[in-house]
Amino acid sequence: GIQVEQSPPDLILQEGANSTLRCNFSDSVNNLQWFHQNPWGQLINLFYIPSGTKQNGRLSATTVATERYSLLYISSSQTTDSGVYFCAGSPNFGNEKLTFGTGTRLTIIP
Amino acid sequence: GAVVSQHPSWVICKSGTSVKIECRSLDFQATTMFWYRQFPKQSLMLMATSNEGSKATYEQGVEKDKFLINHASLTLSTLTVTSAHPEDSSFYICSAPVGSGASELFFGEGSRLTVL
Repeated sequence: GIQVEQSPPDLILQEGANSTLRCNFSDSVNNLQWFHQNPWGQLINLFYIPSGTKQNGRLSATTVATERYSLLYISSSQTTDSGVYFCAGSPNFGNEKLTFGTGTRLTIIP
Repeated sequence: GAVVSQHPSWVICKSGTSVKIECRSLDFQATTMFWYRQFPKQSLMLMATSNEGSKATYEQGVEKDKFLINHASLTLSTLTVTSAHPEDSSFYICSAPVGSGASELFFGEGSRLTVL
């Protein structure tokens, strides 16, 4: 199966800072999602983005499918952005068996 | 977005007992659901794919007799941890795809199991 690497593993930022989280895949993916896991464990859908660029408020994501990576941008960080960010993907179109990355633990300091 | 509900949110049980976790799709039908397990400070690992009206398919290394999955309707899948032991303590999360073709996954709230 595919391997998913995320970087950095940990990130500590001051409130108001911007950040970029990266996700690398060992093989092509046709299904790619970004999630935020809050302190209670709930996985919140951020983006479904197998290719291209999307924006939602202070968050945006870009996937370059041909180069097998995706980036998540968080601007003007708030303390509520703290938590673990996961990317997950699957190689086959129509296959929702997502393989999760190792995660980036983001801590926003007031 | 689509809503997937899981129950219970947390459960504590004695070693040797069985625990059932329910996963419901509240506003859509799900012929397929996925069960993941997450140990502390680790990523999510897929355990099995639950198929409505047929047997579940398990990932390599997951004991099907230990983790019984039933998908009796288009809105409900259940995971039963049989004869639970302390090493089964974990966070169990279900998910369901929404949409046609390559579909977006939505996750339940998760169930935290502690086996004493």
